[in-house]
Amino acid sequence: DTGVSQNPRHKITKRGQNVTFRCDPISEHNRLYWYRQTLGQGPEFLTYFQNEAQLEKSRLLSDRFSAERPKGSFSTLEIQRTEQGDSAMYLCASSLTGNGDGYTFGSGTRLTVV
Amino acid sequence: LAKTTQPISMDSYEGQEVNITCSHNNIATNDYITWYQQFPSQGPRFIIQGYKTKVTNEVASLFIPADRKSSTLSLPRVSLSDTAVYYCLVGDPASGGSYIPTFGRGTSLIVHP
Repeated sequence: DTGVSQNPRHKITKRGQNVTFRCDPISEHNRLYWYRQTLGQGPEFLTYFQNEAQLEKSRLLSDRFSAERPKGSFSTLEIQRTEQGDSAMYLCASSLTGNGDGYTFGSGTRLTVV
Repeated sequence: LAKTTQPISMDSYEGQEVNITCSHNNIATNDYITWYQQFPSQGPRFIIQGYKTKVTNEVASLFIPADRKSSTLSLPRVSLSDTAVYYCLVGDPASGGSYIPTFGRGTSLIVHP
């Protein structure tokens, strides 16, 4: 297992376009988290899944943001009608049962909205 | 969630010991303290976790006083590659699944030659 994989690593899109990011967690991890990080700030929690169930989504930034994990394996984060303020690093993490010390983060997808 | 306070930045030199202190005055009884390290353009990486007294691993030590209102991450003999942002997190990892790592702004450590 090579850890948490995120694709693409970089995405440049025009304002108003939709974008989708993919996260492949560590295979035996049942929890998957999405974070957003802007320059100079710590990662900001967005949503998380336990298996295919999305257990917390109230912190998604707006209704333009949505996430899925259809089979409890990989997950996608979609941003519709992108805005310049959406430019950030989007991080994915996975863990096994959330024991606090087993969170593994991917290298993130850097989104630039022009 | 317990609020944490860390210095925004620190400077050190190669070979020195670095101590980063985090304040968490309203830590709850079941909360653990976890530290992460983040390099530019990478996700955070777990360093160490503890509940009380002292924890040591191959990378760092974590000192937690009896009142648990603060904690200190100690990095022995830092090198240039330890230049990174360090985050202190507080939470209950056994909270029935509701534990979500919550990050503040972290401490930017710069190690000079």
